[in-house]
Amino acid sequence: NAGVTQTPKFQVLKTGQSMTLQCAQDMNHNSMYWYRQDPGMGLRLIYYSASEGTTDKGEVPNGYNVSRLNKREFSLRLESAAPSQTSVYFCASSNRGDTEAFFGQGTRLTVV
Amino acid sequence: AQSVAQPEDQVNVAEGNPLTVKCTYSVSGNPYLFWYVQYPNRGLQFLLKYITGDNLVKGSYGFEAEFNKSQTSFHLKKPSALVSDSALYFCAVTAWYGNNRLAFGKGNQVVVIP
Repeated sequence: NAGVTQTPKFQVLKTGQSMTLQCAQDMNHNSMYWYRQDPGMGLRLIYYSASEGTTDKGEVPNGYNVSRLNKREFSLRLESAAPSQTSVYFCASSNRGDTEAFFGQGTRLTVV
Repeated sequence: AQSVAQPEDQVNVAEGNPLTVKCTYSVSGNPYLFWYVQYPNRGLQFLLKYITGDNLVKGSYGFEAEFNKSQTSFHLKKPSALVSDSALYFCAVTAWYGNNRLAFGKGNQVVVIP
């Protein structure tokens, strides 16, 4: 049982490059989330998808786009990476609001 | 939108002493509340949750939390801290009305001193 799988685990980008972070869950969860974690800032919600076919902005959506490809997969795209997007990115999924979320192992992204 | 405040950056406690990590929340309507723990270079792991019912909830590894609606708080507690409890702790909230938006606090670093 893999849970939530994120790829890649590490990435270095140059300013202006684009990339897509992939996330897949095998628990048949309805909701999926993308967070970024920065020192002293906690986990900030970038985008979330309450159910297949819907996506909504979180606290810090600027510079990002998402796609809920199907119930399993939720990708995060950086169109033109900036140094301010250097962070650790976590994907998570949950079934309903009253059930706990499961997290991936994170993607450590550095933009130079 | 829902939000969480964790007022202390770091909590230092001697091994064997009680541990408390504070959390207050803001949400429209009734909350679902969660605590998670993060060890270095790892994802977050679920500890416990409050959904409804008894205000004192018990979770993994001897942790418990008390829901206080009037104070909008959900403090995490452990009667006797272990060195292995040293980690980053996050409080999170979502709302009953079902948009499933899950908001986290900034986290508290807990350091248990041998």
